[in-house]
Amino acid sequence: GIQVEQSPPDLILQEGANSTLRCNFSDSVNNLQWFHQNPWGQLINLFYIPSGTKQNGRLSATTVATERYSLLYISSSQTTDSGVYFCAVAPGGATNKLIFGTGTLLAVQP
Amino acid sequence: DTAVSQTPKYLVTQMGNDKSIKCEQNLGHDTMYWYKQDSKKFLKIMFSYNNKELIINETVPNRFSPKSPDKAHLNLHINSLELGDSAVYFCASSKGLAGGVDIQYFGAGTRLSVL
Repeated sequence: GIQVEQSPPDLILQEGANSTLRCNFSDSVNNLQWFHQNPWGQLINLFYIPSGTKQNGRLSATTVATERYSLLYISSSQTTDSGVYFCAVAPGGATNKLIFGTGTLLAVQP
Repeated sequence: DTAVSQTPKYLVTQMGNDKSIKCEQNLGHDTMYWYKQDSKKFLKIMFSYNNKELIINETVPNRFSPKSPDKAHLNLHINSLELGDSAVYFCASSKGLAGGVDIQYFGAGTRLSVL
């Protein structure tokens, strides 16, 4: 089955710093979503981005489908950005099951 | 209004008991899912229903039985609970457009602790 790898596994930032999180996947995909799991456990949709580039405030994401990777950029990080960031993909085919990566644990220190 | 709501939020029970988790979505979606997040934060799909029909059934013990009375509800019943069932269970929903734009929205999760 498709493999989804995220890097780095852990990241510690000072408030105000920028960061780039990476997601590599091993096969073509129909769907790619980025999620933020906050310290209370809630999974929050950040982007639906199977290809191209999107921006939402301080966050932006780029997926290069032909090279099978996606990047999530966080600029001017805030303590509320702390948590786990997941990339999830749905392989090509008739179903939409999401295969999750192992996540990047981000801690933003004041 | 919460788009995807799960109840209960927390569930603490003894080994061997039977328990249910309920999920409802008010987004008008056709497809609903159950995912399990283990103690290492790894998320894995368990089941998916489209318009009340089972379309995804991953390798899950048959002690787990999903039930979809209508397309807005997907409940998860677990028989003979075991210690290894302790996890956070997430419900999700989407329009269900295979191959098209199909964003999945997640509930807040149910933290199950089996003692």
